[in-house]
Amino acid sequence: AQSVTQPDIHITVSEGASLELRCNYSYGATPYLFWYVQSPGQGLQLLLKYFSGDTLVQGIKGFEAEFKRSQSSFNLRKPSVHWSDAAEYFCAVGASEYGNKLVFGAGTILRVKS
Amino acid sequence: NAGVTQTPKFQVLKTGQSMTLQCAQDMNHNSMYWYRQDPGMGLRLIYYSASEGTTDKGEVPNGYNVSRLNKREFSLRLESAAPSQTSVYFCASNGLTDTGELFFGEGSRLTVL
Repeated sequence: AQSVTQPDIHITVSEGASLELRCNYSYGATPYLFWYVQSPGQGLQLLLKYFSGDTLVQGIKGFEAEFKRSQSSFNLRKPSVHWSDAAEYFCAVGASEYGNKLVFGAGTILRVKS
Repeated sequence: NAGVTQTPKFQVLKTGQSMTLQCAQDMNHNSMYWYRQDPGMGLRLIYYSASEGTTDKGEVPNGYNVSRLNKREFSLRLESAAPSQTSVYFCASNGLTDTGELFFGEGSRLTVL
């Protein structure tokens, strides 16, 4: 079965600093990988996704993520964080043989200090 | 462009009461899902419906029932609410070509006293 680990429950960064949120997954073959963002009181919004091909994927709001098969990781990065990026971030994994169901990580809460 | 609409947004119940969470999507999606979100646990799948007329259990189905009323609507019912069901519930949907990408509603916050 698939599983997702986000090792960091909370991360605090200064505005303008770079950001990396970690995600490790467990799955035998190449999964579908996603990052979602949730602002307070809102539903989840897709930031980016990886299915195949180029292992560095670009998303909305200046985010990018890199798929590393050897490390079973899909870390999210942003070169310069803005105060509006404060939110909770979820990594998720899916697989074709599981239909369209996704398994989510526990989430990482990002705080941005000015 | 409504997307996925959930009602109600907030509800307080007493232990043993029943209620139904409603979800409707206007994107002509085949698949619909109910997740619950609890602090430190991410989102866990309760039930899903791959297509109209079918429903299947997810990771945490106990204490819940669902109905796929038609292609647009997918409801979640708590027959006898328990404090452990205090949570934020999200409905989501996707289509055949979305390859796993989910479209979420804004959530329903349920408190069981």
